[in-house]
Amino acid sequence: AQTVTQSQPEMSVQEAETVTLSCTYDTSESNYYLFWYKQPPSRQMILVIRQEAYKQQNATENRFSVNFQKAAKSFSLKISDSQLGDTAMYFCAFFVGETSGSRLTFGEGTQLTVNP
Amino acid sequence: ETGVTQTPRHLVMGMTNKKSLKCEQHLGHNAMYWYKQSAKKPLELMFVYSLEERVENNSVPSRFSPECPNSSHLFLHLHTLQPEDSALYLCASSQAIYNSPLHFGNGTRLTVT
Repeated sequence: AQTVTQSQPEMSVQEAETVTLSCTYDTSESNYYLFWYKQPPSRQMILVIRQEAYKQQNATENRFSVNFQKAAKSFSLKISDSQLGDTAMYFCAFFVGETSGSRLTFGEGTQLTVNP
Repeated sequence: ETGVTQTPRHLVMGMTNKKSLKCEQHLGHNAMYWYKQSAKKPLELMFVYSLEERVENNSVPSRFSPECPNSSHLFLHLHTLQPEDSALYLCASSQAIYNSPLHFGNGTRLTVT
């Protein structure tokens, strides 16, 4: 079974600074996908960034980037130049499978607060 | 416009009531999902539909009954719920059920009294 662990229930950062959210996962598969989703107070889950396990290059989306360490099964999210609108719950998620048993497994989430 | 619309936004129901949650997606996706989000717990996948056929049912109690009449609409029928069923219920859709990113709705906050 796949598991996803987010060890930081809460984090805070000052506006304009950089923060890193950690995520580790456990799987015996070699090909899979990793995601970070953001859930602001509006409750809608929004995809932030996606990483394919077969790609060695870390994914980047504007101020968001990941540090993907496949051997260590680590997938951290770095937010640069934090903005007040980044305040949200962040979920790490893991997807494996090409069959009907495929599923997306979420971590417990990290509540990030950006302070002015 | 999120692309995935859920109604109602909030729902309070007694344990003997019957109600339904509705989800509609305007993205032309082929797969739709119901997730349950409880405090301090990871999202729990409840049901998955691909091209209107149920492909997963993760040991969800029968008091939850999904319905997918077409690829754009998904319902969750509720009856004789328990207080522990109180949670945020999220609907999502994706282009396919394999590796496509999920697009979520804003959820229905359900309170069972």
